[in-house]
This record gives sequence, C-alpha cells and structure tokens, in this order.
Amino acid sequence: RKEVEQDPGPFNVPEGATVAFNCTYSNSASQSFFWYRQDCRKEPKLLMSVYSSGNEDGRFTAQLNRASQYISLLIRDSKLSDSATYLCVVTFLSNSGNTPLVFGKGTRLSVIA
Amino acid sequence: DGGITQSPKYLFRKEGQNVTLSCEQNLNHDAMYWYRQDPGQGLRLIYYSQIVNDFQKGDIAEGYSVSREKKESFPLTVTSAQKNPTAFYLCASSIGSGGHNEQFFGPGTRLTVL
Repeated sequence: RKEVEQDPGPFNVPEGATVAFNCTYSNSASQSFFWYRQDCRKEPKLLMSVYSSGNEDGRFTAQLNRASQYISLLIRDSKLSDSATYLCVVTFLSNSGNTPLVFGKGTRLSVIA
Repeated sequence: DGGITQSPKYLFRKEGQNVTLSCEQNLNHDAMYWYRQDPGQGLRLIYYSQIVNDFQKGDIAEGYSVSREKKESFPLTVTSAQKNPTAFYLCASSIGSGGHNEQFFGPGTRLTVL
C-alpha cells in the first residue's frame, strides 16, 4: 500500500508567522522524501528534499521521523509569496527498485497581510 | 533555455474523440512521466518511461496510451475509453528513474471534454 496523507488545510496565517505542516506515509520501506510547492493552476516545483538528519534552507526546515513515519515542513517568518499548496512526496521500495514519486493531496497555505 | 514544454495549454474535445497531448523536453533526461490532477486532489501517475522504447503503467493507466520513440518526446493519448477525461495533465522528466531524482514538470494541459 502506497499512501501519503496530508491535512488539506487551508492554513490561513498572518505575515511573519511560523507555520508547520505534517505528512504521514504508509510504508516503512519508504526511501526518499520531498516537499514540492504548487502555485494555483501551475505545475509543481521542488521546494526541498528531506534528509534523515533534517535539513534547512533559509526560512524552511524539513524533518523526517522514520519511526513514526512522518515528515514535516516548518516555514518561519511567512511571506505573502509563500501562499501556495505544499505537496508531500515519497518514493517506496518495490520489487523492481524505487517506485516513481507518490504525491500527497497537498496542504494549502494562505499568508495574509 | 532547457525545459519541458506541453502543448496546448487548454484543449477542448467532444466526448468519444481520442486526443493526444504533447510533451517535449530538451534536458537530456532519460525518464519521463505523465500525471493527472483533479481539483482538490493529488497527482496520480498515469504512465512512465525509464528509457526510450520502454514504458510502464502507473496507477491509473486505463483509457490512456503512450509512446516513447524519441528520448525528447513522450506523448499521451486520451482515448474514448477513459470515462472521466476532464482534468489537468502534467508531464515531468528526471535524469534517471531512481526515486532520489528531482522531477521537473511542464506547465500542464487542461483538457475539457464536452
């Protein structure tokens, strides 16, 4: 079973706020983890990969908890331009190697002035 | 400029007609993918190709067909057998098919079947 679950939101937050999204995945043999960003009526774009030790890119921090099978994305000092849908993405291990990317349905964020 | 192009951006077809969506990339990527996205839904994999002249079914392949005769091109045909074809179709490519490779997406084609 290959499932990626996210809270759909929307998360409505004021500028400057800190917001966190969680994502759970169904298979403990999951291999790779990513956060993609999708603006309204546009294509998804890679925001960041998620590494076992956690990683940070400017205002964005991603964490992985393999024991509990979830990943998180923390956005600090939210900007209006952060408004988008954030997609949690996982690959799973299959008999033929890694599966293609499996996408969650996304969490919608609206940052309000 | 390197990238992925999809055409057209909007497409309207009558029910019962087959339609082919174009996807071209000049990134020299081996792997290419087709996804479908419905409102409020995540991306669902239709077909993918790891190399020229080879492709595999994704989770929702019924009613669709693909070909991969050239590395740069991966067209998707939506056949009349697809029961609910109206959706946003996204093509993507990656250097290899390994799960750690970033996928780059085209701008998508919005298909509406009347």
